[in-house]
Amino acid sequence: DAGITQSPRYKITETGRQVTLMCHQTWSHSYMFWYRQDLGHGLRLIYYSAAADITDKGEVPDGYVVSRSKTENFPLTLESATRSQTSVYFCASSEIAKNIQYFGAGTRLSVL
Amino acid sequence: AQSVTQLDSQVPVFEEAPVELRCNYSSSVSVYLFWYVQYPNQGLQLLLKYLSGSTLVKGINGFEAEFNKSQTSFHLRKPSVHISDTAEYFCAVTPWGGGGNKLTFGTGTQLKVEL
Repeated sequence: DAGITQSPRYKITETGRQVTLMCHQTWSHSYMFWYRQDLGHGLRLIYYSAAADITDKGEVPDGYVVSRSKTENFPLTLESATRSQTSVYFCASSEIAKNIQYFGAGTRLSVL
Repeated sequence: AQSVTQLDSQVPVFEEAPVELRCNYSSSVSVYLFWYVQYPNQGLQLLLKYLSGSTLVKGINGFEAEFNKSQTSFHLRKPSVHISDTAEYFCAVTPWGGGGNKLTFGTGTQLKVEL
């Protein structure tokens, strides 16, 4: 199916474990983004990528790692999960100079 | 750097009544402005955008917004709401000609439409 998909939709893990959230888009968009959504904070940018092998930090990058070896995939890894990383995570993509971002359905992560 | 303020965290309104959701922004450069809507358990989808031209922009589902540069506002309006408009609404900005397509979001306004 065309679009942007995130997996898993729901994840429960324990503190200290490594977790990887997947994001896949079929449009060949250059830009991809990871946000976390928390009550009272709206969406905050974690990391973004302008192209394959080009990534940069956003507003709240601590505790997260990203990679982008292929244009269509942009996984987000929590190297050692903490309770404060309990959140809803959204992936998005956009074309160069188009400014409109398209969002996945989100991953709800609970860290116990 | 940019910032976005959505002063109303929740707005209750009766069905068929008009509604306005407020958005103010701060930026040292010119910006593009957006409203996104998030239905329960879904991702965000674009409602409307202001890039240039007419300051009154129309979006999907009967929503419209007006860009006011002097007041740095981009309020969202709908003349008559429906139950299905119950959702969270986010205002967002990105700077002209740069910023790497990054968006700065407000904290969101929960619109609750009641019978």
